[in-house]
Amino acid sequence: DAKTTQPPSMDCAEGRAANLPCNHSTISGNEYVYWYRQIHSQGPQYIIHGLKNNETNEMASLIITEDRKSSTLILPHATLRDTAVYYCIVREDGQNFVFGPGTRLSVLP
Amino acid sequence: ETGVTQSPTHLIKTRGQQVTLRCSSQSGHNTVSWYQQALGQGPQFIFQYYREEENGRGNFPPRFSGLQFPNYSSELNVNALELDDSALYLCASSLNVGYHYGYTFGSGTRLTVV
Repeated sequence: DAKTTQPPSMDCAEGRAANLPCNHSTISGNEYVYWYRQIHSQGPQYIIHGLKNNETNEMASLIITEDRKSSTLILPHATLRDTAVYYCIVREDGQNFVFGPGTRLSVLP
Repeated sequence: ETGVTQSPTHLIKTRGQQVTLRCSSQSGHNTVSWYQQALGQGPQFIFQYYREEENGRGNFPPRFSGLQFPNYSSELNVNALELDDSALYLCASSLNVGYHYGYTFGSGTRLTVV
């Protein structure tokens, strides 16, 4: 079973920041937090991952709380092309990815 | 650098038949995982291959089997197809089994069993 809890759906206005929360209260010290997204009828796409520190790349920012029990994925300026299902996964090196149902993000014009 | 490619993209089979799905991993990647994604659900792990050996398996029956070849491409075989096997089958490759940058997924094969 997935070790994360995410809201089933969220809306965001185009051009605004999208903040997607994830709870992972049972995360262990060796587990990374990963975010993937899946646009309709495509394979999941890697977005970002982190262990303890906040991370930023060209796609998004990942904010991990100090106790590591929750995290937030931030898309700074959401576009219509960001409409997708977003998956938050905790995983230790060498383990397979366990996907939950994710959050369906709808970016509205 | 090419990504993960899967073939065919779509397939229709009859219940009881056998099917083989193919995956070419990203260049340099020696680890391949297969996932099944039913409509409206997240992908479910089937198994993983690392350097031609099975390296982990999810909760799928033995009629789901696989192979990895010396060039690290892979096949997923499903025997005695059932209606519930209808799904999107995803292949993902990784630079190494412990590579913490995660997997690169292909676009999948849509299998319909009638």
